[in-house]
Amino acid sequence: QVQLQESGPGLVKPSQTLSLTCTVSGGSISSGDYYWSWIRQSPGKGLEWIGYIYYSGSTYYNPSLKSRVSISVDTSKNQFSLKLSSVTAADTAVYYCARIAAVGPSVMDVWGKGTTVTVSS
Amino acid sequence: DIQMTQSPSSLSASVGDRVTITCQASQDITNYLNWYQQKPGKAPKLLISDASNLETGVPSRFSGSGSGTDFTFTISSLQPEDIATYYCQQYDNLPLTFGAGTKVEIK
Repeated sequence: QVQLQESGPGLVKPSQTLSLTCTVSGGSISSGDYYWSWIRQSPGKGLEWIGYIYYSGSTYYNPSLKSRVSISVDTSKNQFSLKLSSVTAADTAVYYCARIAAVGPSVMDVWGKGTTVTVSS
Repeated sequence: DIQMTQSPSSLSASVGDRVTITCQASQDITNYLNWYQQKPGKAPKLLISDASNLETGVPSRFSGSGSGTDFTFTISSLQPEDIATYYCQQYDNLPLTFGAGTKVEIK
């Protein structure tokens, strides 16, 4: 079955750019049946949806983060990536990647295990 | 953005109790609502889609109902393995938004 795995640095300095990659296994990111998404969860807080990308490269970003966020896709590697610029301590969170069905109910039915990113000098 | 208001924020119940969580949307979202379960240290797991559609493999003690702005999630008989935080999530409009979560504990 499809599995997602986040990877990237666990520690980022303030004002720098956070970069994470999600590797998709057991299925093709180019299937067209899904959007590929990033979600984060700050310590002790709820879930915040960051945005998604389609295999074609079309994206949607949460307006709350839009000025700092970029999501890209590499279909040859079956990966998609998140970049968040000018980070502060408020960006410290567990970052999840997930797939969202493109047809029918927009459910996030497969999630990665999450990766913790701490913003600190 | 559509705001999702969940209540209560936490609850404590005995094994076998019926547990009910409510989720209110700031505008009509028809039935475009999902429910997720998140256990400590784990990613969220999809339980219910379209407000009331139980995902394959999810125990039948879980159920959801509602439409428009008011939704309910129910555990008919609480089990020890149901200890988790539950989130509602709307997909009527982008950006997708979640409720703040309800932490369910055993009394």
